[in-house]
Amino acid sequence: GAVVSQHPSRVICKSGTSVKIECRSLDFQATTMFWYRQFPKQSLMLMATSNEGSKATYEQGVEKDKFLINHASLTLSTLTVTSAHPEDSSFYICSARDIARGYGYTFGSGTRLTVV
Amino acid sequence: QKEVEQDPGPLSVPEGAIVSLNCTYSNSAFQYFMWYRQYSRKGPELLMYTYSSGNKEDGRFTAQVDKSSKYISLFIRDSQPSDSATYLCAFGSGGGADGLTFGKGTHLIIQP
Repeated sequence: GAVVSQHPSRVICKSGTSVKIECRSLDFQATTMFWYRQFPKQSLMLMATSNEGSKATYEQGVEKDKFLINHASLTLSTLTVTSAHPEDSSFYICSARDIARGYGYTFGSGTRLTVV
Repeated sequence: QKEVEQDPGPLSVPEGAIVSLNCTYSNSAFQYFMWYRQYSRKGPELLMYTYSSGNKEDGRFTAQVDKSSKYISLFIRDSQPSDSATYLCAFGSGGGADGLTFGKGTHLIIQP
C-alpha cells in the first residue's frame, strides 16, 4: 500500500531554536499533503494543507510564520517549527493521499517534538 | 455541539468478544467515513473507509454508516489483545483536497 515516511521520529530542541520535520511519499506522488498536531489524549487537529508548488493553507488559529511549510516536490513536504517554545511540544503527523489507491489517507509515523 | 463526538473510553473487553465503536457527527458536508487505529506514539493506520450508508466488511472489521442519523460504527469480531489501541473515526468532505476531521479516539483494551 501507499507509504508515507516521516523524519525524525523524535527530536528535543532548546527553546528559541528551529526544527525541521520531513514528510515523504515513498511510492506515490502527492500534490497535496497535510500536517496535523496531536496533544496527549487529544485528537489529531489539522494544522495546514501543503500544496506542491504553491503556498500552504493554514487552519484558523495556526500561525503561518511560526509553522513554515514547504512542498517543493511531489514527494516531499517539510514543516519547520520556528523559534520553538515549550508549548509547541507535541506530536506532529503528516498525511497524504494516493488517489490511485482510493480515498483513504496514509499517515506518517509522526514526530514527537519536545522543546526544553 | 461538537462536529464529531466519540467516547474516549477506555473500553475494556475480554479476548474473543465483539467490539462496537461509535461516532456521531453533525456536519452534513461529510461524505467520506474512515476508521483509523493508532498505537501509542505512532501514526494512525487506516482500517476502513466508505462513502455510503450501509455496511462494509473487511476480515474481522465491519464499518457501518447511517447518514440519516449521522452515526458511524466499527465492529471488531473475535477481538485479540493485539487489537488494543486507540481507534479514531475520521471524516472527509470534498474530493480529497481537504484534510480530515477526527474524533478524539476510543482507547480499547482487549484482556487476554
